[in-house]
Amino acid sequence: DGGITQSPKYLFRKEGQNVTLSCEQNLNHDAMYWYRQDPGQGLRLIYYSQIVNDFQKGDIAEGYSVSREKKESFPLTVTSAQKNPTAFYLCATDTGVSGADTQYFGPGTRLTVL
Amino acid sequence: GQNIDQPTEMTATEGAIVQINCTYQTSGFNGLFWYQQHAGEAPTFLSYNVLDGLEEKGRFSSFLSRSKGYSYLLLKELQMKDSASYLCAVRAGDYKLSFGAGTTVTVRA
Repeated sequence: DGGITQSPKYLFRKEGQNVTLSCEQNLNHDAMYWYRQDPGQGLRLIYYSQIVNDFQKGDIAEGYSVSREKKESFPLTVTSAQKNPTAFYLCATDTGVSGADTQYFGPGTRLTVL
Repeated sequence: GQNIDQPTEMTATEGAIVQINCTYQTSGFNGLFWYQQHAGEAPTFLSYNVLDGLEEKGRFSSFLSRSKGYSYLLLKELQMKDSASYLCAVRAGDYKLSFGAGTTVTVRA
């Protein structure tokens, strides 16, 4: 069954703690993306990776870090440097080949920092 | 950066038609996407336009005018399950997607 999985669906952390969000895909897609969604705002790009062992900062990368050691996996770490980490985090993938590529989204992780 | 505008909210009656407008200003253009997102869930792909004109897919249609930087999503024969947020997204010259804030559509019986 092909798709994108994110875990956990809900995550609670204390202020000052780092937390890592998981994103796995078995679609054999090269490109992977992390977005943040806040109420009343569009999806904002945090980081993206177009190939294994390479990634680029998006529009709001401060306070976040990523790795891309395997094609299937693109974990996102929310560090204590992120001032307002409570949000809905979405991972997405596409083939990274053309402008017509549809991005497919995982189910999301809702992070709440207490 | 990119600038994408769409209305915040729209309300319509079951069985009616609703048109969601999206205007954009981008550096380069490689297509416009519409996604549907139910509360607390992931966005799901609805349509893609890269050339001017209308694309029809069942009850949903999407229109694009590149010269005007304008698109709309038309939802016909509205059903209660169509109550959701609709996101307009533009793929710019760098191939990254930029999203509008979304339009929340409420369908009333």
